[in-house]
Amino acid sequence: NAGVTQTPKFQVLKTGQSMTLQCAQDMNHNSMYWYRQDPGMGLRLIYYSASEGTTDKGEVPNGYNVSRLNKREFSLRLESAAPSQTSVYFCASRALTGGARTEAFFGQGTRLTVV
Amino acid sequence: KQEVTQIPAALSVPEGENLVLNCSFTDSAIYNLQWFRQDPGKGLTSLLLIQSSQREQTSGRLNASLDKSSGRSTLYIAASQPGDSATYLCAPGSQGNLIFGKGTKLSVKP
Repeated sequence: NAGVTQTPKFQVLKTGQSMTLQCAQDMNHNSMYWYRQDPGMGLRLIYYSASEGTTDKGEVPNGYNVSRLNKREFSLRLESAAPSQTSVYFCASRALTGGARTEAFFGQGTRLTVV
Repeated sequence: KQEVTQIPAALSVPEGENLVLNCSFTDSAIYNLQWFRQDPGKGLTSLLLIQSSQREQTSGRLNASLDKSSGRSTLYIAASQPGDSATYLCAPGSQGNLIFGKGTKLSVKP
Protein backbone atom coordinates (compact mmCIF):
# COMPACT_ATOMS: atom_id res chain seq x y z
CA ASN A 1 0.00 0.00 0.00
CA ALA A 2 1.29 3.45 -0.90
CA GLY A 3 -0.64 5.19 1.91
CA VAL A 4 -0.11 8.96 1.69
CA THR A 5 2.17 10.19 -1.09
CA GLN A 6 3.56 13.72 -1.26
CA THR A 7 5.37 15.32 -4.17
CA PRO A 8 7.90 16.78 -4.46
CA LYS A 9 10.15 15.67 -1.58
CA PHE A 10 12.42 18.70 -1.85
CA GLN A 11 11.99 22.13 -3.46
CA VAL A 12 13.88 25.39 -3.56
CA LEU A 13 11.94 28.49 -4.60
CA LYS A 14 12.86 32.10 -5.09
CA THR A 15 10.86 34.74 -3.23
CA GLY A 16 7.71 35.54 -5.17
CA GLN A 17 7.56 32.28 -7.11
CA SER A 18 4.51 30.05 -6.90
CA MET A 19 4.21 26.32 -6.55
CA THR A 20 1.76 23.56 -5.67
CA LEU A 21 2.46 20.73 -3.26
CA GLN A 22 0.63 17.57 -4.17
CA CYS A 23 -0.82 14.96 -1.83
CA ALA A 24 -2.67 11.76 -2.67
CA GLN A 25 -3.98 8.94 -0.48
CA ASP A 26 -5.20 5.51 -1.51
CA MET A 27 -6.99 4.51 1.71
CA ASN A 28 -10.40 5.93 0.77
CA HIS A 29 -10.17 8.44 3.64
CA ASN A 30 -12.57 11.34 3.61
CA SER A 31 -10.50 13.80 5.68
CA MET A 32 -7.17 15.28 4.62
CA TYR A 33 -4.82 17.77 6.25
CA TRP A 34 -1.85 20.00 5.52
CA TYR A 35 0.66 20.87 8.26
CA ARG A 36 3.91 22.74 8.46
CA GLN A 37 6.63 21.86 10.92
CA ASP A 38 9.20 24.37 12.11
CA PRO A 39 11.88 24.00 14.81
CA GLY A 40 10.45 24.83 18.22
CA MET A 41 6.92 25.32 16.83
CA GLY A 42 5.80 21.76 16.40
CA LEU A 43 3.25 20.74 13.79
CA ARG A 44 0.80 23.49 12.90
CA LEU A 45 -2.35 22.92 10.90
CA ILE A 46 -2.56 25.04 7.73
CA TYR A 47 -5.80 23.81 6.13
CA TYR A 48 -7.93 20.73 6.31
CA SER A 49 -10.69 19.10 4.33
CA ALA A 50 -13.13 17.17 6.49
CA SER A 51 -14.76 15.66 3.41
CA GLU A 52 -14.67 15.95 -0.36
CA GLY A 53 -15.92 19.35 -1.41
CA THR A 54 -15.13 21.13 1.86
CA THR A 55 -12.05 22.96 3.10
CA ASP A 56 -11.41 24.89 6.31
CA LYS A 57 -8.67 27.09 7.69
CA GLY A 58 -6.40 25.78 10.38
CA GLU A 59 -4.04 27.66 12.68
CA VAL A 60 -1.76 29.27 10.06
CA PRO A 61 -3.61 29.64 6.71
CA ASN A 62 -2.23 33.00 5.56
CA GLY A 63 -0.24 32.80 2.35
CA TYR A 64 -1.69 29.43 1.32
CA ASN A 65 -4.59 28.08 -0.69
CA VAL A 66 -5.85 24.53 -0.98
CA SER A 67 -7.88 22.45 -3.39
CA ARG A 68 -9.61 19.19 -2.63
CA LEU A 69 -9.50 17.91 -6.21
CA ASN A 70 -11.33 14.66 -5.46
CA LYS A 71 -11.50 12.21 -2.58
CA ARG A 72 -7.92 11.07 -3.14
CA GLU A 73 -6.09 14.36 -3.72
CA PHE A 74 -5.56 17.50 -1.65
CA SER A 75 -3.13 20.13 -2.93
CA LEU A 76 -1.51 23.10 -1.19
CA ARG A 77 -0.58 26.18 -3.21
CA LEU A 78 1.81 28.98 -2.41
CA GLU A 79 0.89 31.88 -4.70
CA SER A 80 3.87 34.12 -3.86
CA ALA A 81 6.44 32.32 -1.76
CA ALA A 82 8.14 34.14 1.12
CA PRO A 83 11.21 33.14 3.17
CA SER A 84 8.87 32.71 6.19
CA GLN A 85 7.31 29.78 4.34
CA THR A 86 10.55 27.82 4.49
CA SER A 87 9.47 24.71 6.35
CA VAL A 88 8.73 21.02 6.15
CA TYR A 89 5.20 20.37 4.94
CA PHE A 90 3.26 17.24 5.83
CA CYS A 91 0.04 15.89 4.41
CA ALA A 92 -2.16 13.52 6.41
CA SER A 93 -5.43 11.66 5.99
CA ARG A 94 -7.90 9.79 8.13
CA ALA A 95 -11.46 8.47 7.97
CA LEU A 96 -14.31 10.06 9.92
CA THR A 97 -17.44 8.26 8.91
CA GLY A 98 -20.21 7.44 11.36
CA GLY A 99 -18.78 5.22 14.06
CA ALA A 100 -15.50 4.65 12.27
CA ARG A 101 -12.81 7.03 13.42
CA THR A 102 -9.49 5.78 12.18
CA GLU A 103 -5.96 6.70 12.90
CA ALA A 104 -4.27 9.40 10.85
CA PHE A 105 -1.56 8.52 8.38
CA PHE A 106 1.15 10.90 7.24
CA GLY A 107 3.19 11.40 4.12
CA GLN A 108 6.97 11.63 4.26
CA GLY A 109 7.00 15.38 3.93
CA THR A 110 8.14 18.08 1.51
CA ARG A 111 11.16 20.12 2.53
CA LEU A 112 10.68 23.60 1.06
CA THR A 113 13.28 26.35 1.08
CA VAL A 114 12.43 29.87 -0.08
CA VAL A 115 15.46 32.06 -0.84
CA LYS B 1 -9.82 26.10 20.26
CA GLN B 2 -7.91 22.96 21.14
CA GLU B 3 -4.56 23.48 22.87
CA VAL B 4 -2.23 20.57 23.50
CA THR B 5 0.65 20.55 25.97
CA GLN B 6 3.28 17.85 26.28
CA ILE B 7 5.48 17.53 29.32
CA PRO B 8 8.42 17.18 29.54
CA ALA B 9 9.73 18.86 26.40
CA ALA B 10 12.85 16.70 26.56
CA LEU B 11 13.86 13.64 28.51
CA SER B 12 17.12 11.71 28.78
CA VAL B 13 17.17 8.32 30.48
CA PRO B 14 19.53 5.34 30.74
CA GLU B 15 18.63 2.21 28.84
CA GLY B 16 16.23 -0.10 30.65
CA GLU B 17 14.25 2.56 32.51
CA ASN B 18 10.48 2.73 32.43
CA LEU B 19 9.19 6.19 31.56
CA VAL B 20 6.01 8.21 31.20
CA LEU B 21 5.25 10.94 28.69
CA ASN B 22 2.38 13.30 29.41
CA CYS B 23 -0.14 14.98 27.14
CA SER B 24 -2.87 17.40 28.21
CA PHE B 25 -5.55 19.02 26.09
CA THR B 26 -8.11 21.75 26.72
CA ASP B 27 -11.13 20.58 24.71
CA SER B 28 -12.43 17.22 25.88
CA ALA B 29 -14.89 16.90 22.95
CA ILE B 30 -12.63 14.45 21.13
CA TYR B 31 -13.29 11.20 19.30
CA ASN B 32 -9.89 9.70 19.88
CA LEU B 33 -6.27 10.48 20.70
CA GLN B 34 -3.28 9.30 18.77
CA TRP B 35 0.37 8.97 19.75
CA PHE B 36 3.06 9.30 17.10
CA ARG B 37 6.78 8.88 16.87
CA GLN B 38 9.01 11.05 14.69
CA ASP B 39 12.64 10.30 13.95
CA PRO B 40 14.91 13.20 12.88
CA GLY B 41 14.26 14.26 9.31
CA LYS B 42 11.44 11.75 8.91
CA GLY B 43 7.66 11.69 8.81
CA LEU B 44 5.30 10.68 11.61
CA THR B 45 4.69 7.05 12.48
CA SER B 46 1.51 6.13 14.32
CA LEU B 47 2.11 4.25 17.58
CA LEU B 48 -1.25 3.96 19.27
CA LEU B 49 -4.81 5.17 18.77
CA ILE B 50 -7.20 5.34 21.73
CA GLN B 51 -10.89 5.84 21.04
CA SER B 52 -12.73 8.19 23.39
CA SER B 53 -14.63 5.24 24.86
CA GLN B 54 -11.42 3.44 25.80
CA ARG B 55 -9.23 3.95 28.86
CA GLU B 56 -6.08 2.18 27.66
CA GLN B 57 -4.40 0.79 24.57
CA THR B 58 -1.31 -1.40 24.46
CA SER B 59 1.20 -2.29 21.78
CA GLY B 60 4.27 -4.24 22.82
CA ARG B 61 6.24 -2.18 25.36
CA LEU B 62 3.95 0.82 24.87
CA ASN B 63 0.83 1.55 26.87
CA ALA B 64 -1.30 4.64 26.39
CA SER B 65 -4.05 5.79 28.71
CA LEU B 66 -6.76 8.37 28.19
CA ASP B 67 -8.78 10.34 30.74
CA LYS B 68 -11.02 12.32 28.47
CA SER B 69 -12.90 14.17 31.20
CA SER B 70 -9.71 15.59 32.69
CA GLY B 71 -8.07 16.18 29.31
CA ARG B 72 -5.06 13.94 29.88
CA SER B 73 -3.25 11.09 28.22
CA THR B 74 -0.04 9.31 29.12
CA LEU B 75 2.30 7.15 27.10
CA TYR B 76 4.17 4.57 29.16
CA ILE B 77 7.29 3.02 27.67
CA ALA B 78 8.60 -0.06 29.45
CA ALA B 79 12.23 -1.15 29.48
CA SER B 80 13.41 1.67 27.23
CA GLN B 81 15.99 0.99 24.49
CA PRO B 82 18.31 3.29 22.51
CA GLY B 83 16.11 2.63 19.47
CA ASP B 84 13.25 4.38 21.29
CA SER B 85 15.11 7.69 20.93
CA ALA B 86 12.83 9.99 18.94
CA THR B 87 10.28 12.75 19.39
CA TYR B 88 6.89 11.60 20.61
CA LEU B 89 3.78 13.58 19.66
CA CYS B 90 0.19 13.34 20.83
CA ALA B 91 -2.82 14.50 18.85
CA PRO B 92 -6.38 14.61 20.18
CA GLY B 93 -8.78 14.20 17.27
CA SER B 94 -12.05 16.10 17.09
CA GLN B 95 -14.71 16.02 14.36
CA GLY B 96 -12.84 18.28 12.00
CA ASN B 97 -9.24 18.81 12.80
CA LEU B 98 -6.26 17.14 14.40
CA ILE B 99 -4.11 19.39 16.61
CA PHE B 100 -0.66 18.42 17.86
CA GLY B 101 1.41 19.12 20.92
CA LYS B 102 5.03 20.21 20.42
CA GLY B 103 6.25 16.80 21.45
CA THR B 104 8.65 15.21 23.92
CA LYS B 105 12.17 14.57 22.65
CA LEU B 106 13.35 11.32 24.19
CA SER B 107 16.97 10.22 24.35
CA VAL B 108 17.76 6.75 25.69
CA LYS B 109 21.45 6.32 26.54
CA PRO B 110 23.10 2.89 26.18
